[in-house]
Amino acid sequence: GIQVEQSPPDLILQEGANSTLRCNFSDSVNNLQWFHQNPWGQLINLFYIPSGTKQNGRLSATTVATERYSLLYISSSQTTDSGVYFCAVGFSGNTPLVFGKGTRLSVIA
Amino acid sequence: NAGVTQTPKFRVLKTGQSMTLLCAQDMNHEYMYWYRQDPGMGLRLIHYSVGEGTTAKGEVPDGYNVSRLKKQNFLLGLESAAPSQTSVYFCASRSLQGAGQPQHFGDGTRLSIL
Repeated sequence: GIQVEQSPPDLILQEGANSTLRCNFSDSVNNLQWFHQNPWGQLINLFYIPSGTKQNGRLSATTVATERYSLLYISSSQTTDSGVYFCAVGFSGNTPLVFGKGTRLSVIA
Repeated sequence: NAGVTQTPKFRVLKTGQSMTLLCAQDMNHEYMYWYRQDPGMGLRLIHYSVGEGTTAKGEVPDGYNVSRLKKQNFLLGLESAAPSQTSVYFCASRSLQGAGQPQHFGDGTRLSIL
């Protein structure tokens, strides 16, 4: 099956710093989503981005489908950005997503 | 608009007991999913459903059964709970309409098997 690898596994930042999270996947995909799991365990969808670039406030994401990777950028990080960021991929819009193991981000004031 | 609601939020069981986790969504979504989350493992798909009356196995289906008798509900059953099933369980739903529909997650059920 498809493999999803996220790096780094853990990241500690000072408030205000920028960061880049990476997601590599083993096969061609038509569905890629980024999720944030907050410290209370809630999972929030951040982006649907099988290709190209999207931005939402301080967060942006880029997927280079031909090279099988996606990047999530967090600028001017805040303590509320802490949590685990998951990348999930699928072969099509209708197949179940396969999740990576996540990147745990801790933003320190 | 509640979104995806999971019941119960916490439960402690003894080995061998049975229980059912309920997932309810009010968004008229066709697709529903059950995942388990274990430390360092990310989310792994247990079972899923693409519509009322249909179910399919995911990556880790053993020891679980599911039913989707109504479109809005997706039930996850443990017939004989084992300590290896101690985990946090998440339900999610998604619309079939168009590509790129985001998955909406419930808040999770923390299940401990003693």
